[in-house]
Amino acid sequence: AQTVTQSQPEMSVQEAETVTLSCTYDTSESDYYLFWYKQPPSRQMILVIRQEAYKQQNATENRFSVNFQKAAKSFSLKISDSQLGDAAMYFCAYRPRTASKLTFGTGTRLQVTL
Amino acid sequence: GAVVSQHPSRVICKSGTSVKIECRSLDFQATTMFWYRQFPKQSLMLMATSNEGSKATYEQGVEKDKFLINHASLTLSTLTVASAHPEDSSFYICSARDRGYDGYTFGSGTRLTVV
Repeated sequence: AQTVTQSQPEMSVQEAETVTLSCTYDTSESDYYLFWYKQPPSRQMILVIRQEAYKQQNATENRFSVNFQKAAKSFSLKISDSQLGDAAMYFCAYRPRTASKLTFGTGTRLQVTL
Repeated sequence: GAVVSQHPSRVICKSGTSVKIECRSLDFQATTMFWYRQFPKQSLMLMATSNEGSKATYEQGVEKDKFLINHASLTLSTLTVASAHPEDSSFYICSARDRGYDGYTFGSGTRLTVV
């Protein structure tokens, strides 16, 4: 069974600093997608970034970037120049290419302080 | 961008009554709809997956007769909590998979409180 593990229940970062959220996953598949979703206090799930496993290049979206280590089954999210609006729950998620269901991690709550 | 409208956002109902939650994809065709339940400070737990025109596929441990899912069109899916009880109180979220783009769009969620 596929599992997604987020070992950091809570993280804190100062405004304008950089923070990295960890995610590891377990799968026997070779072709899959990985995602980071943000859930702010409004509870609306927002896609932050997506990575396709067959692409070696790490995905980036403005201040958000990932470090995808396929062999290690690691998929961390780096948030640069943190802003107050980045405070939220962050969920790592996995989906095999041949399936439609997402498997979510347990989430990391990110606090951003002044 | 793609939008999924979920209603109601909050509902309070008496124990024993049924509650219907709707999710509509506003500007795309949702070939597949996913229904999740989320307890406070926890992750999303997939309850069921529905494809338009087909019966929903429920995850292990989810009662089919209590959580009735209908996906009658490519833009509308409903979740009915039948004979709701206080233990059904939770946050329910839908997510639609776009036929044209291999992505997922989430509804804004429904907070159900059963008293």
